[in-house]
Amino acid sequence: QQQVKQSPQSLIVQKGGIPIINCAYENTAFDYFPWYQQFPGKGPALLIAIRPDVSEKKEGRFTISFNKSAKQFSLHIMDSQPGDSATYFCAASASRNTPLVFGKGTRLSVIA
Amino acid sequence: GAVVSQHPSWVICKSGTSVKIECRSLDFQATTMFWYRQFPKQSLMLMATSNEGSKATYEQGVEKDKFLINHASLTLSTLTVTSAHPEDSSFYICSARDRTGDNYGYTFGSGTRLTVV
Repeated sequence: QQQVKQSPQSLIVQKGGIPIINCAYENTAFDYFPWYQQFPGKGPALLIAIRPDVSEKKEGRFTISFNKSAKQFSLHIMDSQPGDSATYFCAASASRNTPLVFGKGTRLSVIA
Repeated sequence: GAVVSQHPSWVICKSGTSVKIECRSLDFQATTMFWYRQFPKQSLMLMATSNEGSKATYEQGVEKDKFLINHASLTLSTLTVTSAHPEDSSFYICSARDRTGDNYGYTFGSGTRLTVV
């Protein structure tokens, strides 16, 4: 059973556009929601993360929106650039003692 | 920030041989390390969780005798793929948990591409 559902599977946007990637979860014990960026042949790198006590968090061009009641969270990339083309994974964790559960990933292509 | 070094970055081995992958936390002590496996265009699948000084906990369906995990110190965990077969070819990634990290300390290595021929 997939604990974190991510959509869309792939996304193509033009440079300067704002891609939005969505994730939904069922486990109400999750209390940490990070987003990772992965380039081919590399390990995932943390982009931004949020806890359920806030509804939005911004770091540079990346914004997480969190809806606790709907059990959904999303990543917005402002002013997207070709260098943002990568696979993005949402994840969730229930506590510091448990591993991350990953979504299936979204392949983003930003075209000039 | 926390850095996890993973070696080798890629390895090719013959069927039936064993391969060892190392994961080191360079500037922090990692009480817990996680090993993931990733097939092309797929997500990361957790293989096992290892705690320093104790036996690893394997996820359902992961053969503990085939994927040997050792976490003998607070800075080093190793994954040994024993009697490797072509179906073991995959991208293996470790993650170390910093005991003091604010982001729950999940730092990932750069991954190891294993090809079994």
